[in-house]
This record gives sequence, structure tokens and C-alpha cells, in this order.
Amino acid sequence: DSGVTQTPKHLITATGQRVTLRCSPRSGDLSVYWYQQSLDQGLQFLIQYYNGEERAKGNILERFSAQQFPDLHSELNLSSLELGDSALYFCASRDTSLETWYNEQFFGPGTRLTVL
Amino acid sequence: AQSVTQLDSQVPVFEEAPVELRCNYSSSVSVYLFWYVQYPNQGLQLLLKYLSGSTLVKGINGFEAEFNKSQTSFHLRKPSVHISDTAEYFCAVTPDSGGSNYKLTFGKGTLLTVNP
Repeated sequence: DSGVTQTPKHLITATGQRVTLRCSPRSGDLSVYWYQQSLDQGLQFLIQYYNGEERAKGNILERFSAQQFPDLHSELNLSSLELGDSALYFCASRDTSLETWYNEQFFGPGTRLTVL
Repeated sequence: AQSVTQLDSQVPVFEEAPVELRCNYSSSVSVYLFWYVQYPNQGLQLLLKYLSGSTLVKGINGFEAEFNKSQTSFHLRKPSVHISDTAEYFCAVTPDSGGSNYKLTFGKGTLLTVNP
């Protein structure tokens, strides 16, 4: 158990719909990362938040957005869903309290999104 | 920008045989390197990491990897595999300076199947 939790575990929805994926980082971790794992694209970085602020952006579609709340949990919002958005979405968190040395990312179990 | 190439998408081996999973990377800056494992229907777990120092790093479950800067490689090895090692293995890199806030760039993955 990494200490990172993600809900829901599975999500089945229709094209055109909007969904919200939730991530709770490890206790005390200020940094949250979102990744998408799909069959054709592999594992890709989407976006990172640090203590409520967006810090880095990857290959995230404009239809997707994220935020990190004061309690440090994060949500990834996916709208106008398409068949190709079906994927496993991972959240990871990282301890940034010791910036003099690198601390690795710990991954949650993922949310499997199926768009029908 | 960084890129990671995992040269084999699938590697079948027999139990107790040695295995090597190959990883090459490309980067204009120095990087940290990682191997993650994903068991069926689970999240990503860190196997080992190279940050600095000795180029031979040991990880969990008897795995080890060797960083070769001149060949830009970070191959993963295990001298004797078990059925329980069947999983997908991902090589990943991140700039060591914190560029892009340590987002990970992953390879496409190698499915290791250990047969009895």
C-alpha cells in the first residue's frame, strides 16, 4: 500500500459526459502528479500540482482540468468524453520537504475509465 | 525533453532463468533513472532508482540495474526469476535538476512472463 488513494476504482460512462477522478496523496505530501496510461500512448504525464498551485503541464487535453484543494487532495476533471479517453488514470504524490535530495513519487492504484 | 525506449515489449522466460530487460534513454540534461513494476490490476511500485554514485543499483525482490552513461542505458537484471515476477516493467527518467518539477517520462513497458 503506497498510501495514495484514488476513487473510484472503476468508472463507466458514455461519450460526451463529464467525470471527476479523486486522489488523496500520502500524508504530508504537497506534490500531486496525474498520469494517463492507455494502450496506444503508454504512460504519459498530464499535470502536477504543488500545495494548491499548478506547477507543470504535460500532454493534457483542453477538455481535461485539475485542481488541488487546501486539504491537498486533488481532482482530475474530464469533460466531453470520447472513446479514446478510455484509460487508466494514476495519481502520484511526492514528499518535497527535503528538496536537497530527490524523493520518489508514490503511485495510487489508479482509476480505470471506460467510455462507451 | 527526454525519451525512453524499452527495446522489448514482451520477454518470456522460464522460472529460475536469468532475465535482462533493456532500457535506453535520450536527454539533453542529466537525469535520474527508475524502474517501476506493475502487477496485474495494480498501481506502479518502485523497484529501484539511480540518483548518483555507484552505477550498479540494487532494488527490491532481487532486481538490480546498471547505469551506463556512455551508452545511455539502464538495463534491469535478475539472476533467477520466479513465477511471481510476472508483471509489466517500466523504465522512467526525470531531469536531476528538477526541470518540469520531476515529472516522469516513461518507456512503453516490457511485459515479463515467467513460465513454469
